[in-house]
Amino acid sequence: KNQVEQSPQSLIILEGKNCTLQCNYTVSPFSNLRWYKQDTGRGPVSLTIMTFSENTKSNGRYTATLDADTKQSSLHITASQLSDSASYICVVSAGSYGGSQGNLIFGKGTKLSVKP
Amino acid sequence: DTEVTQTPKHLVMGMTNKKSLKCEQHMGHRAMYWYKQKAKKPPELMFVYSYEKLSINESVPSRFSPECPNSSLLNLHLHALQPEDSALYLCASSQDRAGLSNTGELFFGEGSRLTVL
Repeated sequence: KNQVEQSPQSLIILEGKNCTLQCNYTVSPFSNLRWYKQDTGRGPVSLTIMTFSENTKSNGRYTATLDADTKQSSLHITASQLSDSASYICVVSAGSYGGSQGNLIFGKGTKLSVKP
Repeated sequence: DTEVTQTPKHLVMGMTNKKSLKCEQHMGHRAMYWYKQKAKKPPELMFVYSYEKLSINESVPSRFSPECPNSSLLNLHLHALQPEDSALYLCASSQDRAGLSNTGELFFGEGSRLTVL
């Protein structure tokens, strides 16, 4: 069964600190992995998209890594800001065009709270 | 700012009402999606339209009726809903469905917060 597991479920950090969010997946065939940021009550916004051949991709203070062998990804946030408080969702695209979920398997997200 | 526009942002309706949620994009995307998201849960796919044709219906109750009048618009008609249907309804679009298997972006709207009394 295709699954995406994220940890931790929630995280509280102080402003200015770094943090790392984890995503493990069992999706086959694997196509790509996406990280989204979702503010409370708003739509998700894409941070990064990585294919199996990419190990690292950055978007400002956000750096995503992907290990296709161990089927793990991480999202590292550097020098956190109050505006980073949000849910971060890991989404894996399956290569099966006709699969359910329109190819996308969503994790349950990590809720990050950045405190002053 | 998102390039997928959803209206209304908030909707309160009774169980006997008929209402509609609207979604619009002008990026030339040919795939559009409706997702339902309950609190503290990930989005769940409801419907997919590809080139204005319904291609996926994830066993959604008939009280939800999607419509794609043209390539830029996607509606979700609501009738005889239940309180448990209260949720954030997200519209999304992508260049096409196949692109999601590559690195095609999936753009979400801001969502319509629905409350069923």
